[in-house]
Amino acid sequence: DTGVSQDPRHKITKRGQNVTFRCDPISEHNRLYWYRQTLGQGPEFLTYFQNEAQLEKSRLLSDRFSAERPKGSFSTLEIQRTEQGDSAMYLCASSLTEKLFFGSGTQLSVL
Amino acid sequence: KQEVTQIPAALSVPEGENLVLNCSFTDSAIYNLQWFRQDPGKGLTSLLLIQSSQREQTSGRLNASLDKSSGRSTLYIAASQPGDSATYLCAVPLYNNNDMRFGAGTRLTVKP
Repeated sequence: DTGVSQDPRHKITKRGQNVTFRCDPISEHNRLYWYRQTLGQGPEFLTYFQNEAQLEKSRLLSDRFSAERPKGSFSTLEIQRTEQGDSAMYLCASSLTEKLFFGSGTQLSVL
Repeated sequence: KQEVTQIPAALSVPEGENLVLNCSFTDSAIYNLQWFRQDPGKGLTSLLLIQSSQREQTSGRLNASLDKSSGRSTLYIAASQPGDSATYLCAVPLYNNNDMRFGAGTRLTVKP
């Protein structure tokens, strides 16, 4: 058990560019979550997968955001046409029960 | 709509003190409540999970209590140490148990 891995740790991009983040959950965990956190705030829910099925999406997840979890293993979160307001820490978590295990996050800065 | 509030936003104490962090939630119909720790620039680490049927949970120097009827939870840290310095967040799941609603956290500093 190596924990939840996220890549990259930091991403700096220019406004209008597309970015993609990757999350590798703990191997036996069938549940996977994406959250977004801005400075001084708690994480905000974005989306949830059970195995490969995306079962829930927050209204925060505009049509510029898309998430996938092919084969129920790793997950990717893509943001198209990034905006400065997308600057945040993007956190991935996985679970088998109610206890969540978080990765270290990807810090996105949109210039 | 479930809202989670944590007071105080920041707390600074000398090493060795016992301290209490507070968490309140507006909708008492919760399945459970979790306390997390977050170090600067890092992800969250789950500390304690209290089921709705439980009143408290303990892990080492940490004790978390839950009072659903009043919409409150407290995290008690005994004999605080500089290594306890971090942000502590509480979270409750919404009705579907997939969307966790977090408080903004209490930033704790323990001075040697």
